[in-house]
Amino acid sequence: EVQLVQSGAELKKPGESLKISCKGSGYSFTSYWIGWVRQVPGKGLEWMGMIYPGDSETRYSPSFQGQVTISADKSISTAHLQWSSLKASDTAMYYCARLSGPLDFWGQGTLVTVSS
Amino acid sequence: EIVLTQSPDTLSLSPGERATLSCRASQSVGSSYFGWYQQKPGQAPRLLIYSASSRATGIPDRFSGSGSGTDFTLTINRLEPEDFAVYYCQHYGSSYTFGQGTKLEIK
Repeated sequence: EVQLVQSGAELKKPGESLKISCKGSGYSFTSYWIGWVRQVPGKGLEWMGMIYPGDSETRYSPSFQGQVTISADKSISTAHLQWSSLKASDTAMYYCARLSGPLDFWGQGTLVTVSS
Repeated sequence: EIVLTQSPDTLSLSPGERATLSCRASQSVGSSYFGWYQQKPGQAPRLLIYSASSRATGIPDRFSGSGSGTDFTLTINRLEPEDFAVYYCQHYGSSYTFGQGTKLEIK
């Protein structure tokens, strides 16, 4: 069974750094791209970018380029999304998903709250 | 960048009725690279339709997708109570974009 399990909710202060994770199981983790999607509370889905764990090739949406870093550790079948300096506007639910063309399997989401 | 515009923003229908949701792309997209997702409150999105008209695994046949070029449609026949949710269209492949969503609510 394909599963993507994300790390737990985070409460951070503006300016702090953060790295959240997405662990894949039940399939060949290095053979599928993993994407990240942001959802601000009450709003729609926004595409952030993706990574191919096989060779760590990464592509970012122009809206998120330079704002976040996507990485992967294929030895532990885990993808990461990180921020070096959080802003209040980063408050959102973040989903990872497996790409087989469309996003066919999704993680449960990680809620990131940034507040002073 | 391709922009996807969904209509209507909100659709109010009763169980048993048919829902027709639309998604228009700002430029022609290959139908092999177009999908629909359902999102219920407090849940992650779920893939319904890929390649414009193929149902994902486990999706009931009351859900169907159609369209090509710039105009795509998701049809839900005989609405069930569990179908009331937010639906998103998506272009994928060379670039990834979501529509703004259509909320299907109970009338």
